[in-house]
Amino acid sequence: DAGVIQSPRHEVTEMGQEVTLRCKPISGHDYLFWYRQTMMRGLELLIYFNNNVPIDDSGMPEDRFSAKMPNASFSTLKIQPSEPRDSAVYFCASSFGTASGNEQFFGPGTRLTVL
Amino acid sequence: EDKVVQSPLSLVVHEGDTVTLNCSYEVTNFRSLLWYKQEKKAPTFLFMLTSSGIEKKSGRLSSILDKKELFSILNITATQTGDSAVYLCAVRPEGSGGGADGLTFGKGTHLIIQP
Repeated sequence: DAGVIQSPRHEVTEMGQEVTLRCKPISGHDYLFWYRQTMMRGLELLIYFNNNVPIDDSGMPEDRFSAKMPNASFSTLKIQPSEPRDSAVYFCASSFGTASGNEQFFGPGTRLTVL
Repeated sequence: EDKVVQSPLSLVVHEGDTVTLNCSYEVTNFRSLLWYKQEKKAPTFLFMLTSSGIEKKSGRLSSILDKKELFSILNITATQTGDSAVYLCAVRPEGSGGGADGLTFGKGTHLIIQP
């Protein structure tokens, strides 16, 4: 299995631009999570989906952030317009909800820099 | 609000030493506590703990949970330079459907093993 796939791996953009991060979860996993990691705040859960439906988006910082999961094998996290304080590593993770332990498998992350 | 506090924030020891990393938590309706190791990429899963007093062990790493005092420790014996990483502790609350709800992470302990 290829594991969780994220793209792009690195993105540098200018303030005000739209940014779209992409994630392909592990096949068969029914939960998908988006996290953000910064030095100041550590790892934070932004939003998670179960069977493509958003369950909890209370971690989404503000309306500039939106996430979608149109099907079981693809999710996007969009920031519009982007700001320098959005610079972080964004991780996507997936898990199989009924497996013992519900271990979450993380993707390699997208390092976003907003200038 | 769920809260996870790890200590120390950073630790530098010599190869061969034993280290103990601490994690204390406050969470509504505790389900499990997880430990992750993060090097220069995504976190990798180490242990999941759900019951007090039962030690989980994997090679030189071990971990135990105290649900009464709300903390967990991660021990690493005979440390090696390859153990250098950030060790993250996370807690998971019970979900509405008993499924894989999102995790609340601590800020991590940055462990450096010197040769």
